[in-house]
Amino acid sequence: ETGVTQTPRHLVMGMTNKKSLKCEQHLGHNAMYWYKQSAKKPLELMFVYNFKEQTENNSVPSRFSPECPNSSHLFLHLHTLQPEDSALYLCASSHGGRSEYNEQFFGPGTRLTVL
Amino acid sequence: AQSVTQPDIHITVSEGASLELRCNYSYGATPYLFWYVQSPGQGLQLLLKYFSGDTLVQGIKGFEAEFKRSQSSFNLRKPSVHWSDAAEYFCAVGRYGNKLVFGAGTILRVKS
Repeated sequence: ETGVTQTPRHLVMGMTNKKSLKCEQHLGHNAMYWYKQSAKKPLELMFVYNFKEQTENNSVPSRFSPECPNSSHLFLHLHTLQPEDSALYLCASSHGGRSEYNEQFFGPGTRLTVL
Repeated sequence: AQSVTQPDIHITVSEGASLELRCNYSYGATPYLFWYVQSPGQGLQLLLKYFSGDTLVQGIKGFEAEFKRSQSSFNLRKPSVHWSDAAEYFCAVGRYGNKLVFGAGTILRVKS
């Protein structure tokens, strides 16, 4: 596997379910990101992890819970979601740090549908 | 704070015609600039980037972009569009804290 992978690619869940999205990067990076992409809305940064430490939580509801056990893996745990949470969830990775030079590499995304 | 404006939500061009997608940024210092492309249902793929040096940068798939500081612009160009170029294109500027600020995107349609 190369680059950034995400599983599952598609997920349908009810509002009472608990599920997790997984992201794995094979690029030797130290920063990982979760984005939400909804129809007709700009890309929304949700969380940033730098060297396994969460450095950004962009006012995301607590029903989304990220986890970064190591620099290669990132999870997004989902529980009691709402239909408006249906979206494409993108994971990205980059070199770690705090700079403005930040070339991010994206996974293919997980298409989430909440019924 | 940094911001990115892509003034065109949709653009339609004929196959074989030239293309220019506009991007304007707001940033005080020399910016780090990126163009990404997204095919339907897929992630974002980096087309090209600018961080210093030559203001005309070449990317993948025959794309190029020119950084113009005086106009705060980083427009994406391609001399001859192929049907497979139909996608959504995002301009982004680097932001302190290891983040990117994205524009709203431009959807490119290619007519045969």
